[in-house]
Amino acid sequence: GQQVQQSPASLVLQEGENAELQCNFSTSLNSMQWFYQRPEGSLVSLFYNPSGTKQSGRLTSTTVIKERRSSLHISSSQITDSGTYLCAIGNAGAKLTFGGGTRLTVRP
Amino acid sequence: EAAVTQSPRNKVTVTGGNVTLSCRQTNSHNYMYWYRQDTGHGLRLIHYSYGAGNLQIGDVPDGYKATRTTQEDFFLLLELASPSQTSLYFCASSGGLGGTYEQYFGPGTRLTVL
Repeated sequence: GQQVQQSPASLVLQEGENAELQCNFSTSLNSMQWFYQRPEGSLVSLFYNPSGTKQSGRLTSTTVIKERRSSLHISSSQITDSGTYLCAIGNAGAKLTFGGGTRLTVRP
Repeated sequence: EAAVTQSPRNKVTVTGGNVTLSCRQTNSHNYMYWYRQDTGHGLRLIHYSYGAGNLQIGDVPDGYKATRTTQEDFFLLLELASPSQTSLYFCASSGGLGGTYEQYFGPGTRLTVL
C-alpha cells in the first residue's frame, strides 16, 4: 500500500525564520493535500495540490510527482503557525493515506 | 467551501456501551469517510462510502459499523465500545469521480471509552 513519510518529525523556529516541510510517498498519486492541525485538534485544509506549485500568503506547496515528493514552505514564521502539519496522499480511488505529521513550534 | 458537521463533539461512554457518531455534509459530495486519529498512528481510514446505501471497508474497520442513509448523512456505530476505541474521530467528504478528490473535514469528535 501507499507509504507516506514526513520530515522532520518536529521543528523549532524563531519567529521570522522560514521552514521547509517534506512529504515523500512511495507510489503514484491522484490527490495530495496539506493540512494544518490546530492544538485543540481541528483540521484546516491548506492545499489540494496533486502536481505543481501553489501559493497562499506565506505558504507555498510544491509537488513533484516523478520524484514522489511534496514540500510545504512557510516563510516568515509566526507564533500562530505553531501546530502540526499533515500531508495526505490518495492513489486508490478516493482514499487518503496520511503521513505522521511535522510538529512545528515557533518561539518569540 | 464544503460544510461538514459532526455530532456529538465530545462523548464519554463505558466499556460495552453503544455509541453512534453522526456526520452531515451539505455540498452534495458523493464520497464520505470516517477516520480515527491516535498518537503515534496519525489518521487512519475506518470506513467510507460513495453514495447512499454504499459502504466500503477502510484500513482499520474492526469493531466499527457504518451506514450511509442519505447522500448527506454518514453514521459510525460502535456497538460494544472498548477502551482501545478511545480516539479523535473525523468525518470527511469529497466530490469524487467527475470532481476532485479534495477532502473536506469536520471538526472532529473526541470519544472516551472508560
